Amino acid sequence: GQQVMQIPQYQHVQEGEDFTTYCNSSTTLSNIQWYKQRPGGHPVFLIQLVKSGEVKKQKRLTFQFGEAKKNSSLHITATQTTDVGTYFCAGPSRGGGYQKVTFGTGTKLQVIP
Amino acid sequence: NAGVTQTPKFRVLKTGQSMTLLCAQDMNHEYMYWYRQDPGMGLRLIHYSVGEGTTAKGEVPDGYNVSRLKKQNFLLGLESAAPSQTSVYFCASNLRDPNTEAFFGQGTRLTVV
Repeated sequence: GQQVMQIPQYQHVQEGEDFTTYCNSSTTLSNIQWYKQRPGGHPVFLIQLVKSGEVKKQKRLTFQFGEAKKNSSLHITATQTTDVGTYFCAGPSRGGGYQKVTFGTGTKLQVIP
Repeated sequence: NAGVTQTPKFRVLKTGQSMTLLCAQDMNHEYMYWYRQDPGMGLRLIHYSVGEGTTAKGEVPDGYNVSRLKKQNFLLGLESAAPSQTSVYFCASNLRDPNTEAFFGQGTRLTVV
């Protein structure tokens, strides 16, 4: 079945440093979504990328979808303590006759003030 | 607008006991999912439903059963709880299919002793 891996699994950064997490799928994705989960919270949708090579920005966050639509990245510029949490990528996959959402393994970000 | 509501939020079970987790959404969403989250394992799909009366297995279905008798509710059952089922359980839903934003419940923290 489809596998979605993220690296790194954990990342500690000093406040103000940049941060990047990478998402790699074993199969081509029709689209990819990114979610953020704050400590003790639930995943919350951030953005969806659909087109090959697409780049989207949300303030200090930059999301990219690879040309082959098998990988994606999330880059945070000048991290703040509010960026702390786990970031997941997710993509549709098919199994048992139906489509479903497969989540990546997640990258846990810790920001040191 | 409540969104996705999970009950209970916390539960402690003894090995061999049974219980049902309830997920309710008021957004008229077709797709609903049950995930479990364990440290370092990301979100793993247990079972999902593509509409009222239809369910399918995810990647870790053993030891769990589900039912979707009403469109707004998705129940996750543990017939005979085991310590390996200690986890945080999240319910999620999509409006139409996995290519749309997923909304998550607040989670249920289950401990099996």
